[in-house]
Amino acid sequence: DQQVKQNSPSLSVQEGRISILNCDYTNSMFDYFLWYKKYPAEGPTFLISISSIKDKNEDGRFTVFLNKSAKHLSLHIVPSQPGDSAVYFCAASASGSARQLTFGSGTQLTVLP
Amino acid sequence: DVKVTQSSRYLVKRTGEKVFLECVQDMDHENMFWYRQDPGLGLRLIYFSYDVKMKEKGDIPEGYSVSREKKERFSLILESASTNQTSMYLCASSLPGRYRAFFGQGTRLTVV
Repeated sequence: DQQVKQNSPSLSVQEGRISILNCDYTNSMFDYFLWYKKYPAEGPTFLISISSIKDKNEDGRFTVFLNKSAKHLSLHIVPSQPGDSAVYFCAASASGSARQLTFGSGTQLTVLP
Repeated sequence: DVKVTQSSRYLVKRTGEKVFLECVQDMDHENMFWYRQDPGLGLRLIYFSYDVKMKEKGDIPEGYSVSREKKERFSLILESASTNQTSMYLCASSLPGRYRAFFGQGTRLTVV
């Protein structure tokens, strides 16, 4: 049973517009959430994170929103750029021996010039 | 910057072979992880280690084993490779108590 779900396998947006990527989780023990970006034939790279004690975290063009009651988070990219085209993975973690991450299935974002 | 290096970018192995995937990190991280990435399934945790000689099963450990003899090195072993182990394998490391993991570039393994 997937504990972290990304229900949209793909998303296309025009350059300059907002990209919104969504993620849902089921495990109430998750207390930290991260977004990773992955280009083909490369490893994932960290993008932005949020603790469960916050509902928003912003870093430049990237903002992550957390709605704990709905067990939902979203990543907003404004403005979107062609270089943002990649697979985006949502990940979640609970306090544990190694803070291991549980990942969603990913969303392929394509930003059209 | 943290560097996590996987020994091979691409590997082709035959069914039944014993396969070793090696991962080295240079930042003295205690935690190390092996994931596999498959289309539509995301990254799934195979094994992780939070100290030398310590290992714990992840979500999909069947068919795999691991070895951590030194802090900087974490090896994934496929005892008898099968075609359903064809995948992208990703190694990662992190500091204790920290959530952010740093990933290697991945090894694309094909079992024929």
